[in-house]
Amino acid sequence: GDSVTQTEGQVALSEEDFLTIHCNYSASGYPTLFWYVQYPGEGPQLLFRASRDKEKGSSRGFEATYDKGTTSFHLRKASVQESDSAVYYCALRSNTGYQNFYFGKGTSLTVIP
Amino acid sequence: ETAVFQTPNYHVTQVGNEVSFNCKQTLGHDTMYWYKQDSKKLLKIMFSYNNKQLIVNETVPRRFSPQSSDKAHLNLRIKSVEPEDSAVYLCASSRDRGGSDYTFGSGTRLLVI
Repeated sequence: GDSVTQTEGQVALSEEDFLTIHCNYSASGYPTLFWYVQYPGEGPQLLFRASRDKEKGSSRGFEATYDKGTTSFHLRKASVQESDSAVYYCALRSNTGYQNFYFGKGTSLTVIP
Repeated sequence: ETAVFQTPNYHVTQVGNEVSFNCKQTLGHDTMYWYKQDSKKLLKIMFSYNNKQLIVNETVPRRFSPQSSDKAHLNLRIKSVEPEDSAVYLCASSRDRGGSDYTFGSGTRLLVI
């Protein structure tokens, strides 16, 4: 079945460090891929999405590129700030058959000032 | 304001009690969901409800039951809470069964003592 794998459970960085959170997926065809962010005390909210190979999604300095060859959608940011401390979820919506929505396990990012 | 609204924000109760959480969406969406978010931030879908069709995650204990009066409301009842039910319960909605415009509420934090 379809699935999303986030390899990092927790990440701790200093301000201005470079961030990479890895996301790999398993699905047939071209699923739509998402990154969600959850700040403390809030629900997850959409950061951005991509639905075609090589499409880049971006928002608030974060970006990810849909790569069908490596089945990846890694989240990157060049210079993190303390306010980026949150939980990040990679998600997938399959576009074949019954369109199910799948979330990764989440990555908790802590940015130390 | 259009969003997903959950009440209460926080609830403390004793083992064996019954609790009920409310969720309302003003987005005009057709599908609503309940998720359980554990202490490791893992999101587990419990129920989805679309056009009076309820889809239940088979791993959800029978003491949990969703209640819907219309497509804008999906409440969650727990008949006899147990310590392992302590978690954040997130309500979400989407425009259709395919998960378009997936939007979360801010969550209800349950503590069972």
